[in-house]
Amino acid sequence: EAQVTQNPRYLITVTGKKLTVTCSQNMNHEYMSWYRQDPGLGLRQIYYSMNVEVTDKGDVPEGYKVSRKEKRNFPLILESPSPNQTSLYFCASSFAGGSNQPQHFGDGTRLSIL
Amino acid sequence: QKEVEQNSGPLSVPEGAIASLNCTYSDRGSQSFFWYRQYSGKSPELIMFIYSNGDKEDGRFTAQLNKASQYVSLLIRDSQPSDSATYLCAVSQAGTALIFGKGTTLSVSS
Repeated sequence: EAQVTQNPRYLITVTGKKLTVTCSQNMNHEYMSWYRQDPGLGLRQIYYSMNVEVTDKGDVPEGYKVSRKEKRNFPLILESPSPNQTSLYFCASSFAGGSNQPQHFGDGTRLSIL
Repeated sequence: QKEVEQNSGPLSVPEGAIASLNCTYSDRGSQSFFWYRQYSGKSPELIMFIYSNGDKEDGRFTAQLNKASQYVSLLIRDSQPSDSATYLCAVSQAGTALIFGKGTTLSVSS
């Protein structure tokens, strides 16, 4: 089954404790992206990757890191999480053509930073 | 700041009616336009995408694009209660970034 898999689905943690949210897709997609969704602010792009070893900042990259060492994986790293990073996070992927192609979304990760 | 604007709603229509959802965008260089549906607590799912001026139909859904007016819309014919959701307009910036509107909440009453 074609899918984008995020883990964990839910996480409650404390300020300053490094965490990684994993994202994996099995569709051989070149483009991958991370978004956060907050009430009243909608979906905002954090980082995107056009291909392996190619990443770039979206609208709200502060406090986040990403890497793209393999085509299928695009982890989101919070080196020192803070309460303002409490949010619902989505990973998405699409075929070559970047954001001009429809994106497939993972089921989301709900992060709470205390 | 490149923006995508949508009325937040809620837009309320009776079952069987046509629902009309609208979106405007600020970047004239935008190339691709998407409508996603999102149920509460779920991930966005693609409804329609459109690249060229004009209309594109898929079942009960029609996307309309007018690049001169920087306007894209989604029409839902024969609205059903199961169509009740938040509809997100998304615009591609040069094939790299994707900018979403804040979404319009649609409520279809039976």
